[in-house]
Parts: sequence; C-alpha cells; structure tokens
Amino acid sequence: EVQLVDSGGGLVQPGGSLRLSCAASGFTFSTYSMNWVRQAPGKGLEWVSYISDSSSTIYYADSVKGRFTTSRDNAKNSLYLQMNSLRAEDTAVYYCAREWVPAGMKSFVFDYWGQGTLVTVSS
Amino acid sequence: DIQMTQSPSSLSASVGDRVTITCRASQSITSFLNWYQQKPGKAPKLLIYAASSLQSGVPSRFSGSGSGTDFSLTISSLQPEDFATYYCQQSYRTPRTFGQGTKVEIK
Repeated sequence: EVQLVDSGGGLVQPGGSLRLSCAASGFTFSTYSMNWVRQAPGKGLEWVSYISDSSSTIYYADSVKGRFTTSRDNAKNSLYLQMNSLRAEDTAVYYCAREWVPAGMKSFVFDYWGQGTLVTVSS
Repeated sequence: DIQMTQSPSSLSASVGDRVTITCRASQSITSFLNWYQQKPGKAPKLLIYAASSLQSGVPSRFSGSGSGTDFSLTISSLQPEDFATYYCQQSYRTPRTFGQGTKVEIK
C-alpha cells in the first residue's frame, strides 16, 4: 500500500526556519517525482515545489523561491522541505504528493498525498 | 503563469441531483486538466485526470469533459459522501496551478 507520511510542522517565529519531511513506503520512491503543496487555513491549494526522481530538476513557486529548498534522499525513501525566512503568509498545512504520469500520456497527476503537517508562523 | 478559474465558488444541492462544476484556464492547456476532491481535514483525492479519465476506484457517477480552456466535472447523482470541495489543476506547465475550489454543500 502506498503511504506518504508528512512530519516536522509546528509553531515558528517570523524569520525562523523549519524542515518538513515526507516518509514514503509501498512503492519504489526513487522512480517517482514528488511535489509539495500547501493550504492556508480556510483557503485553496497552492503548489509549492517539484523535484524529479533523481533530484536533477527542481522547481519552486515564486512565493517561496529563494527561501525554501526541496531535497530528497532516495536511500531513505524521504522527501524534505527546508523552509527559511518564514513569514506569516507561509502558515499552512503542507502536503507532499507523488507525481504519476499515466501510461501513454504526457500529462501528470498527483495520485497519492500525505496527510499534511501544519506550519504556523507567528510571534 | 496559467490561471485557473472555477465556477461557482460554492453550490447547494440535494442528494440525487446532477451537479456540474466548471473550470476555465487562462490559456489553452489542451486536455492537461485534473480534478481532485477534498473533505474537511483530509488530503485531496484524485478523481479525474487528463480531463476525462476516471482514476481507478472512483465511482462512475463522476465524469469530466472539455479541452482547450473550458472544462467541467459532473456528478450524475449526488451522494451524501460527495459533499466536499473540488479543485481543478492544470498539468500543462509549471507552476502547477489549481483553481480556487468549489464547495458542494447540502441543500
């Protein structure tokens, strides 16, 4: 069974740092690209970052570029999001999501999601 | 960036109703459009990918259509477990933008 378990959230002061983790199991982690998606309280979904299976390609939303760093350790089946210079507007539930490319298609989807971890940025 | 606009933002419907949610892209995304369902306190769940392909395990009362810039998600006969928020997402280009969501509530 595919499982993604998000962890590492908590309360942090503005300007602080936090590192989120996503532990994967039930599939060959090293062959899938992964994403981070966040959701501010009462708001919609916002894509944050993408990392390819080999870490050769990484993308960020403009809202986090230069402050957040996505990485992965395929030996540990883990995805990470290092968040620095945190702002109040970064307060959200953060989800990791597996990226799947259906057979014969050029499109991708987020087919499995973690349960989310809450990050609160407040003094 | 490609902007995704859903309508309506919310709707009230009864069990058994046919419900349609629309999603418009700010530029053509061919058929690179996905739909997700999210219930309160839970992670989103994939329903439809590539505009009209039903994800495995998703009930057949859900269907998707459209291409280019205009898309729709239809629930043919609303069930109690379908009351949730629905999001479209374009998978044509990074950033991988979502619509703002449509909340389906009980009338």
